[in-house]
Amino acid sequence: GENVEQHPSTLSVQEGDSAVIKCTYSDSASNYFPWYKQELGKRPQLIIDIRSNVGEKKDQRIAVTLNKTAKHFSLHITETQPEDSAVYFCAASIYGQNFVFGPGTRLSVLP
Amino acid sequence: ETGVTQSPTHLIKTRGQQVTLRCSSQSGHNTVSWYQQALGQGPQFIFQYYREEENGRGNFPPRFSGLQFPNYSSELNVNALELDDSALYLCASSLGGPSGNTIYFGEGSWLTVV
Repeated sequence: GENVEQHPSTLSVQEGDSAVIKCTYSDSASNYFPWYKQELGKRPQLIIDIRSNVGEKKDQRIAVTLNKTAKHFSLHITETQPEDSAVYFCAASIYGQNFVFGPGTRLSVLP
Repeated sequence: ETGVTQSPTHLIKTRGQQVTLRCSSQSGHNTVSWYQQALGQGPQFIFQYYREEENGRGNFPPRFSGLQFPNYSSELNVNALELDDSALYLCASSLGGPSGNTIYFGEGSWLTVV
């Protein structure tokens, strides 16, 4: 079955710097890759997603890139702000079924 | 807000007991899936329901069971509770069947087994 790895497990950046979180997946059939942000005690919230027919997607300060050949995808956050501090999860699925999540990255944005 | 509502928000059960968690999906969403999130880990897929039938199951034992109702709401039942079942249980709904749409999570039900 699918296996998703995520690095780093923790990441600290200065406010205004960029943050990059990387995920790899094992099943070449996976074709949908969302990213979720989870604040302490809250539900995971979708922040951006990408499908396998696209190499990059941007939404304001957030971007995701996908390399299908290498089976990895990355989340890029630019101009980080303290409110970006949270745990970020990547996930992989085949046509939106049976999402497999990575173990999470705890991002701390230091003022 | 996602429109996915779950109840109860918190509960404490004793080992060996049974628990039922409930979920109302976002309006128009006909697919519901359940995830278990242990402390410090990512959500793990339990199962998915579409048109009242189980449509995919993760690596969870048969004592985890579920239902989906005609109004697309769903229940997760866990029998013979174990201490390791303590976790946040997340319901997620999506639109258009199981073939490929974003899932939106509810706020979850925090289960503590003592």
